[in-house]
Amino acid sequence: QKEVEQDPGPLSVPEGAIVSLNCTYSNSAFQYFMWYRQYSRKGPELLMYTYSSGNKEDGRFTAQVDKSSKYISLFIRDSQPSDSATYLCAMSASYSSASKIIFGSGTRLSIRP
Amino acid sequence: GAGVSQSPRYKVTKRGQDVALRCDPISGHVSLYWYRQALGQGPEFLTYFNYEAQQDKSGLPNDRFSAERPEGSISTLTIQRTEQRDSAMYRCASSLVGEGTADTQYFGPGTRLTVL
Repeated sequence: QKEVEQDPGPLSVPEGAIVSLNCTYSNSAFQYFMWYRQYSRKGPELLMYTYSSGNKEDGRFTAQVDKSSKYISLFIRDSQPSDSATYLCAMSASYSSASKIIFGSGTRLSIRP
Repeated sequence: GAGVSQSPRYKVTKRGQDVALRCDPISGHVSLYWYRQALGQGPEFLTYFNYEAQQDKSGLPNDRFSAERPEGSISTLTIQRTEQRDSAMYRCASSLVGEGTADTQYFGPGTRLTVL
């Protein structure tokens, strides 16, 4: 069993829809939770991070962590065609010092105009 | 430089040859990471350095893989006696680790390695 599980999709939704992306994890040591966005032929770029249970909002994006269920989510409101990319959940055991990141396999998202 | 750079961007080699992949991190970044990313998968951790010290090499698949960062800046990932299963995108990331701040890793464009 992988430490981080993520539905690979692909997921296709119409412009303006709310998108929900999810991951589950098995390692209780994970303390730092991230979402990366990766456009085709590019490296991953950090979209959001959080290190506590609950919600964190940044513009149209909301990251949600439920440590008791070992479940994290990313919500995208008013989705735009420019949001079309692969979204990778990621986590590590530390947020304030260097630590390896464990990534999910990524969900390919396509927003239809 | 403005971001993490990697060279070469593409490398095609024959099975059994050695390859060296280079990573130049963002200036001043203390930590440097190597990941391998297969098509349709997320990056898989290989190893990381703080300054010149290799802190964790638990992700290196076998002893054909090694990495160094002798002066705490540029790093080289070396794969000896390459095999076809080594074909992948190899990504480097760097981060500026500070006390009590979130450690954000910035990724380079990657080196696409193809072993024939």
